[in-house]
Amino acid sequence: GEDVEQSLFLSVREGDSSVINCTYTDSSSTYLYWYKQEPGAGLQLLTYIFSNMDMKQDQRLTVLLNKKDKHLSLRIADTQTGDSAIYFCAELAGNNRKLIWGLGTSLAVNP
Amino acid sequence: NAGVMQNPRHLVRRRGQEARLRCSPMKGHSHVYWYRQLPEEGLKFMVYLQKENIIDESGMPKERFSAEFPKEGPSILRIQQVVRGDSAAYFCASSPPGGHEQYFGPGTRLTVT
Repeated sequence: GEDVEQSLFLSVREGDSSVINCTYTDSSSTYLYWYKQEPGAGLQLLTYIFSNMDMKQDQRLTVLLNKKDKHLSLRIADTQTGDSAIYFCAELAGNNRKLIWGLGTSLAVNP
Repeated sequence: NAGVMQNPRHLVRRRGQEARLRCSPMKGHSHVYWYRQLPEEGLKFMVYLQKENIIDESGMPKERFSAEFPKEGPSILRIQQVVRGDSAAYFCASSPPGGHEQYFGPGTRLTVT
């Protein structure tokens, strides 16, 4: 079946790196995504990675994909208070277009 | 290029009333998706539509819920005879033809009293 899991909370100090982890079960996933949701707001697409890649970097964001272990991570360098939000991992399941979501990791950045 | 637009942003309905949620995709996007976010839960896929066609409605409750994406105008998610359990945030997303990224609107927060 399709399932995506994330740890629920992460707390870091401002200026440190944050690493948010995610595991998924669908080996036929083509794309994996990271979205950011601030309180009361919609979902902002941060970045994505194609399943045949193992790393993607975009400014302060680095995505690592271990396809063998079905493990995805998002590293945020130099974390700022404005990065405080819920981060969702999602996979594009199989041949259809529906996104399967984790429950989200709430990132708290302490000054 | 305006983003995905949803209205209303907040909707309050009494039990038994109908709720209509609207979504205008980004310009040039022909694929629309609806997701529901229940309190303390993750997002769940509901339905995927293209213009005038429902492509995948595997996440839609069997009764009271319907969706459309007409040739002209926004996509509509309709919930008839709402119940308290329908209280949630409903998000719409769109993607361009041939594209995989889904861009989300701000959501409609439905409260059923």
